[in-house]
Order: sequence, then structure tokens, then C-alpha cells
Amino acid sequence: GAVVSQHPSRVICKSGTSVKIECRSLDFQATTMFWYRQFPKQSLMLMATSNEGSKATYEQGVEKDKFLINHASLTLSTLTVTSAHPEDSSFYICSANRGLAGGGAGGDTQYFGPGTRLTVL
Amino acid sequence: GQNIDQPTEMTATEGAIVQINCTYQTSGFNGLFWYQQHAGEAPTFLSYNVLDGLEEKGRFSSFLSRSKGYSYLLLKELQMKDSASYLCAVSPNDYKLSFGAGTTVTVRA
Repeated sequence: GAVVSQHPSRVICKSGTSVKIECRSLDFQATTMFWYRQFPKQSLMLMATSNEGSKATYEQGVEKDKFLINHASLTLSTLTVTSAHPEDSSFYICSANRGLAGGGAGGDTQYFGPGTRLTVL
Repeated sequence: GQNIDQPTEMTATEGAIVQINCTYQTSGFNGLFWYQQHAGEAPTFLSYNVLDGLEEKGRFSSFLSRSKGYSYLLLKELQMKDSASYLCAVSPNDYKLSFGAGTTVTVRA
């Protein structure tokens, strides 16, 4: 299977602190990983695309200086929420691309990590 | 921008069949995905369609019509554990995914 892990699963921090979230692909290499944010009862919103060995690509409206992304290897991407505030409290989910078994007409399947619940007090 | 529409909620009885529709208008098309998401958990991959037609996987089937910008996910022989949110996602023209708001399916005994 395609397993993606995230750590930590849950974090509570004080306003103004920074929080680092790790995303790892355990049994495959992922040149591209994605970071999403999901507020209660809403769908996933893509924050940024993380590419191994290069700078992340951020979606419109996402502050790159606030959400620092590092893709250090083919199996690890990290998201750091800097100077977190209560409005940053959310469910952060990463995903990694893995090619479809047997190939396909296009597109890679994204496999998601278990998510990180961030609560900023 | 990308526009992906699906119903907000659906309710069905255990053992029944439910069909979740998804319509999309996107800048490009590189495939359509269905994911299942239980509350507080990350989405899990269910199906992928890039060509027109029906893809069947056990109790779950997914259909795509590219000319109509339309897909549906069919859940057969519903079980209580199928109560979850079902997300329709389209890959426009690269490896990104644009998600619909999700359809919450409630299965009742």
C-alpha cells in the first residue's frame, strides 16, 4: 500500500509560538507533496505544493512567510506555522503523489496522511 | 477558478444504494477522484476516473462523463461504517487536486 504518516497528530500551543508538522511517505518516494488545511465541516483547501529540492509553490492568499515548507528529501516534507494565532487553529493534512498501479491515462493518486489537529490558545 | 459541486447531505438505510453526484467546471481535466473521509480523519482514496464510463470496485462504483462534466459515486449494500463524508476531487491539468465541499452520508439502521 501507500502509507503517509504525519507527526504530531495533535498539538496545542500558545499564541505566538511556532509549530512544525512532519509528513513522511513510508513506502514510496514522493517528489511532490501537498499541504492542505481543513476547517470544521468544510472541504480541503490546498495551501501549497511542496517539491523536493526546490521552493514550495503557494496558493493564492497563503502567506509563504507564515507557513514555511521544506521538502528535504523524497520522503519528508515539513510545514512550520510561524507565530501561530488562534485563527490558525485547524486540521492540517499532507498528501503525497504516487503513480497509479499499472500506469494510467494521466494524473497521480494522492495519498493522505492522518492529519494534524492544531489548536492555538 | 475551479467549480466542483456535490450535494451537502444524503441519508439512506442500511443495505440500500446511494448515488452521490458531482458536477465540475475546471480549467482542464486530468482525472477525477473520489475520497472517503470519516470525521476527524484524513481522506482515503476510493476511485479514479479519467476515461468515460463506469469503474467498479466491490461495493463502490464511480462513473464519469467528461462531455457533461459529471461523475457519480455509487455505494451499494450500505453498511453503518459507510457513514462518512465523500469528497469529489478533480485534477485540472497538473498534479494538484481541487476538492468539492463533500457530501455527508448518514446510514441508518
